[in-house]
Amino acid sequence: NAGVTQTPKFQVLKTGQSMTLQCAQDMNHEYMSWYRQDPGMGLRLIHYSVGAGITDQGEVPNGYNVSRSTTEDFPLRLLSAAPSQTSVYFCASSYRGAAGNTIYFGEGSWLTVV
Amino acid sequence: DQQVKQNSPSLSVQEGRISILNCDYTNSMFDYFLWYKKYPAEGPTFLISISSIKDKNEDGRFTVFLNKSAKHLSLHIVPSQPGDSAVYFCAASASGNTGKLIFGQGTTLQVKP
Repeated sequence: NAGVTQTPKFQVLKTGQSMTLQCAQDMNHEYMSWYRQDPGMGLRLIHYSVGAGITDQGEVPNGYNVSRSTTEDFPLRLLSAAPSQTSVYFCASSYRGAAGNTIYFGEGSWLTVV
Repeated sequence: DQQVKQNSPSLSVQEGRISILNCDYTNSMFDYFLWYKKYPAEGPTFLISISSIKDKNEDGRFTVFLNKSAKHLSLHIVPSQPGDSAVYFCAASASGNTGKLIFGQGTTLQVKP
């Protein structure tokens, strides 16, 4: 997981609170993505970006907001947390046309919404 | 609509035998497929991938087969080892956009000594 840093590792939120999950990479990758992992559901794509200033929705974007003001950073914002957003979140980065072994995942952020 | 499906939630095999994990997809635009291994409390680890221009790719004990007409791929692990016990995910992307991976639900593999 070298090169992709996620913070915080663990977070407990109350329903209705907002927070930002941070993701940073130092490999100058164009592509960055956010996934959530839930039991029995695999990893589902929330939002992704193909470069600074460009973002797009994935499979499950509702309740999340992203921006990509720099190549290095891709924060994920929860605007008003809900218990359904309790999950493990993974950030990933890669360059254009990357092979599988050059797609890097962060170590994950465990979020609990009570 | 699940575009990538792993219909077997779990698989148990004896050490030394072959493990076969299956994955089906529905989107004909997918042209690159990957397999990841995941342990609890860790990020996914890349195992092997295959481009749609190939039907087989090998890397040591791991081989991935792609049947485009059936929209089906499989991962073979030979011989299976206890350290292979983990959750395995297949994933797919289209047009080289590796920032947009679509994952299956995962298959938990248990290799018994």
